[in-house]
Formats: sequence, structure tokens, C-alpha cells
Amino acid sequence: EAGVAQSPRYKIIEKRQSVAFWCNPISGHATLYWYQQILGQGPKLLIQFQNNGVVDDSQLPKDRFSAERLKGVDSTLKIQPAKLEDSAVYLCASSFYGAAYNEQFFGPGTRLTVL
Amino acid sequence: KQEVTQIPAALSVPEGENLVLNCSFTDSAIYNLQWFRQDPGKGLTSLLLIQSSQREQTSGRLNASLDKSSGRSTLYIAASQPGDSATYLCAVVPDKLIFGTGTRLQVFP
Repeated sequence: EAGVAQSPRYKIIEKRQSVAFWCNPISGHATLYWYQQILGQGPKLLIQFQNNGVVDDSQLPKDRFSAERLKGVDSTLKIQPAKLEDSAVYLCASSFYGAAYNEQFFGPGTRLTVL
Repeated sequence: KQEVTQIPAALSVPEGENLVLNCSFTDSAIYNLQWFRQDPGKGLTSLLLIQSSQREQTSGRLNASLDKSSGRSTLYIAASQPGDSATYLCAVVPDKLIFGTGTRLQVFP
């Protein structure tokens, strides 16, 4: 069974530029999560999708971050414009069921550096 | 607000030692607690999941315990190996995964 795929693996941009990350969840998983992991910290949930609807985006900085999950499969996370403090690893995860207590499977992450 | 703390932040031990990683949380109203492993440049791998009604879970050389009333969990690694070197994260689930800051473990030969 293929795991969660993410691309790119690494991205370096300058502040005020825009960037987008892509995630392909495990086939059949209805729930998709985006996490932000700043160096030295644990991952923090940014947004949770159930199929193509948003379940929780309470910690998403909506003035600069946006995410979509068209057709309930792949998802993209965008930052526009980027700030220095956005430097982090962005992790995508998916689960078969929607409740957070069900097992989540994580992708390898995208490491973003903002200069 | 749920807060998760992990001690120690870093640990370096010789191969073969038994070791304990600690996790504490402030609110006992959780569905479960999970331990993850994170290798550099890779995502998180789930190690053990303890339901709120359970006291412990075991997988191979790993044993995790949960004491909800005191807000504590421990991950016990028996006979550590260099391949165990990684960052270990615990996370509790009230309504979402809330992670601790992790323990960076190095096991040297």
C-alpha cells in the first residue's frame, strides 16, 4: 500500500514570495490533515478536511495561508505572502475515518526555508 | 488548554541500555495517547496507541504506559540499539492530535 506522498520535499523562497505544497493521501482515506512543525517543536494542526469539506481550520493563519482539497483526494496548501516565521516542515497526514482518535498516516513532509 | 511536555529534550545512551521517555499532559479528558517516531527528513511513524481505558501497550522492545489521572505516560525502550536513534513524540487526542516537543534520542555503539 502506497503511503502519503508530498512534494516538493524542499523549498527555499524569499519573504513575500508565494509557495504551494501538494499532498496525495493514501487511497480511500477520506480525512486529510496539514500540520506545521517548527524546528524544535511538535507538529501543530493547521487544517483538517473530511472529503473535500473543511472540518477544522481554527489554527490556520487565513490572512496568508489557504488550502483546498478538490474532488476529495489531493490537496494543496498555499502561503502568500511568506514570512520568515513560516520556515518549518509541513506535514500531510491522512486517515480512513474522520475522528482524530483514529490512526493517522504521515507523509515525509516539505521543508520550507524562507530567507 | 491542553499542553503536552516531554522530558528529557535530548538523551544520549550507549547501546544495550534500557531507557524511559516521559510525557505529561495537563488535561485528562483524552480519547487516547500516541507515541510516534520521527527520523530526520522523514515523516512520523506511529509506534503505539493507548486508548484512554487502557493502562499500557507493548510492541516488541517498546512498552508504553498511561496514567490518565496523573496526566503521565512513559515509553520504555528495552535493550536500545543504534537504529533506535530518532526523535520520539507523544501526542494526546482530545479533539485533535496535540503533540509534545519531543525527545531526541541518540544510541551510540
